[in-house]
Amino acid sequence: GAVVSQHPSWVICKSGTSVKIECRSLDFQATTMFWYRQFPKQSLMLMATSNEGSKATYEQGVEKDKFLINHASLTLSTLTVTSAHPEDSSFYICSAPWRGGSYEQYFGPGTRLTVT
Amino acid sequence: SQKIEQNSEALNIQEGKTATLTCNYTNYSPAYLQWYRQDPGRGPVFLLLIRENEKEKRKERLKVTFDTTLKQSLFHITASQPADSATYLCALVARGGTASKLTFGTGTRLQVTL
Repeated sequence: GAVVSQHPSWVICKSGTSVKIECRSLDFQATTMFWYRQFPKQSLMLMATSNEGSKATYEQGVEKDKFLINHASLTLSTLTVTSAHPEDSSFYICSAPWRGGSYEQYFGPGTRLTVT
Repeated sequence: SQKIEQNSEALNIQEGKTATLTCNYTNYSPAYLQWYRQDPGRGPVFLLLIRENEKEKRKERLKVTFDTTLKQSLFHITASQPADSATYLCALVARGGTASKLTFGTGTRLQVTL
């Protein structure tokens, strides 16, 4: 099946710094990718829709200036958490829809962010 | 308000039995519903998709039903195995919404014991 990778798989950063997370579709092209956040023992919450070649669409309550999304190519989307705070510590997961008509999505393995 | 609810308590069953997980939704008109499996510290993995005009879908030991009148989907794993232990998430795509935009339920943790 289709593969989506994320890098890094985990990162620890100091409060006030910025962290970039990459999401790549390895064997298919994705004009759209999604970014989710998941807190412990909770479900995935959609943060934003990443659109190749245009601006991302953010869900209500998600600060677009804090969570910068860039979808520069058909296989790469990046999420930058700017001026990170401890409350940003979470599991960040990206996904890309399979465009074969079945509407299933392929998820990356996730990135564990810890802000100290 | 819109809600997608799954049994928040863990489901414990014995190996070989059938596990049945429930997904109930309110104030949604889903075009289709999907089920995913998530292991700890990993991203979800797609299992099955069922459309609003379908009643049942099967794939190997998995079966999904979809009742738009009851606003409910049931997910069955027959002949369950310890390797089936994971959290199972249902997700909806709303009719008229972005084609691939998923809204996830709360998830149910399944534990299959020997």
